[in-house]
Amino acid sequence: ELKVEQNPLFLSMQEGKNYTIYCNYSTTSDRLYWYRQDPGKSLESLFVLLSNGAVKQEGRLMASLDTKARLSTLHITAAVHDLSATYFCAVQGGETSGSRLTFGEGTQLTVNP
Amino acid sequence: DAGVIQSPRHEVTEMGQEVTLRCKPISGHDYLFWYRQTMMRGLELLIYFNNNVPIDDSGMPEDRFSAKMPNASFSTLKIQPSEPRDSAVYFCASSPWALNIQYFGAGTRLSVL
Repeated sequence: ELKVEQNPLFLSMQEGKNYTIYCNYSTTSDRLYWYRQDPGKSLESLFVLLSNGAVKQEGRLMASLDTKARLSTLHITAAVHDLSATYFCAVQGGETSGSRLTFGEGTQLTVNP
Repeated sequence: DAGVIQSPRHEVTEMGQEVTLRCKPISGHDYLFWYRQTMMRGLELLIYFNNNVPIDDSGMPEDRFSAKMPNASFSTLKIQPSEPRDSAVYFCASSPWALNIQYFGAGTRLSVL
């Protein structure tokens, strides 16, 4: 059974600081996604990572994928308050998962002034 | 496109009542997914369809849950009879093909009293 684990689950940081969220998964997969969810809202796709060594950047967020280590990271640079949200990684594909997304627990990020 | 449309946005019902949640996927998307989000279990896939055919319903909790997709533009998730433990946010998502970004609707917040 595919398992996806994120850490930390809660992250409180100051504006201007850098930090990294980690996402580990237990079996091979085809794709890894990062989603953002604001309180009471839906999920918004941030990044799709397809292959080993893939790196994607959008503004202050950068995601990377190491398929050999089964690890993805979401790096936050010079955080601002608008980044406060819950971030989910999700894994798709692999031997038995097909099209389903298997989500991590989510990392609740709070950026303080 | 208006995105994935779900209705109702909020539903409050009493234990034992039938609940029907509705979803209209993005036009042209062949895949439709139903997810449930709770604090205890996080985001979990209930069922997904390809071209209106159920492909994987292994996440459907029990026989009280059923889902249909009578045509490419409409799906329902029904709970009968509902129980308090069914209280959650139910998301519908769609994607154009198997391994692709899933676009989520705004969700239906269900409370069963």
